[in-house]
Amino acid sequence: DARVTQTPRHKVTEMGQEVTMRCQPILGHNTVFWYRQTMMQGLELLAYFRNRAPLDDSGMPKDRFSAEMPDATLATLKIQPSEPRDSAVYFCASVRGEWNSPLHFGNGTRLTVT
Amino acid sequence: AQKVTQAQTEISVVEKEDVTLDCVYETRDTTYYLFWYKQPPSGELVFLIRRNSFDEQNEISGRYSWNFQKSTSSFNFTITASQVVDSAVYFCALSEAAGYALNFGKGTSLLVTP
Repeated sequence: DARVTQTPRHKVTEMGQEVTMRCQPILGHNTVFWYRQTMMQGLELLAYFRNRAPLDDSGMPKDRFSAEMPDATLATLKIQPSEPRDSAVYFCASVRGEWNSPLHFGNGTRLTVT
Repeated sequence: AQKVTQAQTEISVVEKEDVTLDCVYETRDTTYYLFWYKQPPSGELVFLIRRNSFDEQNEISGRYSWNFQKSTSSFNFTITASQVVDSAVYFCALSEAAGYALNFGKGTSLLVTP
């Protein structure tokens, strides 16, 4: 059963440090999403890519967040410098095909910034 | 503006009770899709159902049923004879043709006690 793989599962870091989260989408899926989940805001869309090209990153704080897809099998989300308010669970999701297809989510990266 | 509203933040029921989770959405599109996802305590997001805007037929899958009513912009989810394993956070989500990503509601936390 194909899955979206996210690493690391947990990350604890100090404020000001750089954090990189990685996602391996399901093979053949050409659209990749990054979501952030917090108690206050729920699930927020940060950015998404189609065929490795960024389609929308308006949900992402531009000054400290960056998202890339170096190749079709890897998506990265980087925070530099990290802040305590970035503490959240970050989910990657992928889908093949049209906009109405169900997303397949990874297990998430739980980030704690102290 | 919130496109998907799940007014019930938390629901607690006793096993074997029926429970309905409400979802109200807002869109100007005539073509859209609605989804329900389940997030058990382990944290992953599991796809439950997709419904398109042209299909108002109710859906039943085992103990789960969904009632889609365009007249009231609602897509409610009912669990019949609830079980402890149904304890999770349930998210309703909307996908519009104009965009590509899912807009999630804030979720309803369901606790089923023995």
